[in-house]
Amino acid sequence: GAVVSQHPSWVICKSGTSVKIECRSLDFQATTMFWYRQFPKQSLMLMATSNEGSKATYEQGVEKDKFLINHASLTLSTLTVTSAHPEDSSFYICSARESATAGNTQYFGPGTRLTVL
Amino acid sequence: GEDVEQSLFLSVREGDSSVINCTYTDSSSTYLYWYKQEPGAGLQLLTYIFSNMDMKQDQRLTVLLNKKDKHLSLRIADTQTGDSAIYFCAERTGGGFKTIFGAGTRLFVKA
Repeated sequence: GAVVSQHPSWVICKSGTSVKIECRSLDFQATTMFWYRQFPKQSLMLMATSNEGSKATYEQGVEKDKFLINHASLTLSTLTVTSAHPEDSSFYICSARESATAGNTQYFGPGTRLTVL
Repeated sequence: GEDVEQSLFLSVREGDSSVINCTYTDSSSTYLYWYKQEPGAGLQLLTYIFSNMDMKQDQRLTVLLNKKDKHLSLRIADTQTGDSAIYFCAERTGGGFKTIFGAGTRLFVKA
């Protein structure tokens, strides 16, 4: 149980285009989802926290107009990287919290590797 | 502020025990977690411990928590080459809903 999927697993795009990444909780309802960014050999950097049906809360330094987050249902959140540039190339990982379980554990998706040319 | 620190590398021989250490700063942490990340993959939850516990054992994994020193460790018994990965320590902060991650410890297992 507690599986989180992401789609696509990798994407290559041209500079200036927008890319949408989907995050789904497959077998549980996630009232809260998180989006992280991970640079090579570094830890996860929390970008934003989203609660179903409300606006996402962005971490300091993360541009909300650049990284659009939509959490329209209890099982789906999307991250859209708008007007992507090479510096946006990174590994993006989503996470969903299953509040019904002990530990309020976050379960992670497999990640999406974005390469902007 | 909230911070989680880990050593960056650990190298062990196959069959030996591995001990990965972590320190954190938020004394009001409620839960502490260990995650494993294999190359190119997301994070896999290995185990977690509630802050009022001092030990948790799950098969080859033993988690020790010293709340006074804000020190968490993960012991992997009989380490195998398949255990080679990055291990992240994380704390759920008491004051909010954030989970703060350490930088990760890269475990190398030599055959």
